[in-house]
Amino acid sequence: AQSVTQLGSHVSVSEGALVLLRCNYSSSVPPYLFWYVQYPNQGLQLLLKYTTGATLVKGINGFEAEFKKSETSFHLTKPSAHMSDAAEYFCAVSGTPLSGSARQLTFGSGTQLTVLP
Amino acid sequence: GAGVSQSPSNKVTEKGKDVELRCDPISGHTALYWYRQSLGQGLEFLIYFQGNSAPDKSGLPSDRFSAERTGGSVSTLTIQRTQQEDSAVYLCASSPPWASLAAPGELFFGEGSRLTVL
Repeated sequence: AQSVTQLGSHVSVSEGALVLLRCNYSSSVPPYLFWYVQYPNQGLQLLLKYTTGATLVKGINGFEAEFKKSETSFHLTKPSAHMSDAAEYFCAVSGTPLSGSARQLTFGSGTQLTVLP
Repeated sequence: GAGVSQSPSNKVTEKGKDVELRCDPISGHTALYWYRQSLGQGLEFLIYFQGNSAPDKSGLPSDRFSAERTGGSVSTLTIQRTQQEDSAVYLCASSPPWASLAAPGELFFGEGSRLTVL
């Protein structure tokens, strides 16, 4: 069984400030972890992912996330927010292929990021 | 190339009517998913198709929901006798063969079909 908790359904930051979006997961098997972004009236697109190897992963648009197994976390960060970062962000977890649960992504409830001028 | 295409983009229906939502995945993508996105909630998995294998229907919320995928390409999600709680955005996603095993979770999403049941 898998679950994802995103702390804070709405986050507001000033332009140029640090962005931190929190994600904690629960998984009975080694997880694959993802962040997706959804801009208004668009579908979701992959921002970054962790599968194996380096625990700090870098994605598009300057975002990065760190997999911390001891904390069961995969928080998303960006050093300096841009107005164009305003969107909804979803954390997701799946099992690895060997676990047999790779097919299904479990999503968090999303965090709406607002960037203030 | 073209992305995942969904139609209609918006559908308003009356309670009790049947609706069909269509998804045209990216050419060559063997995996196809349907998710439901309700206001203030995350994405809820509905069904998964992979090639010619039997679909994973474990997420369908009731027997009013069904989906098929013809010829390994286009998929139709059908909701019978719609209820107000069915109102949501229905998202379709596809992924290429290499992603299914090597890197599950790399999904390409359509823009969704917004269903409103009055």
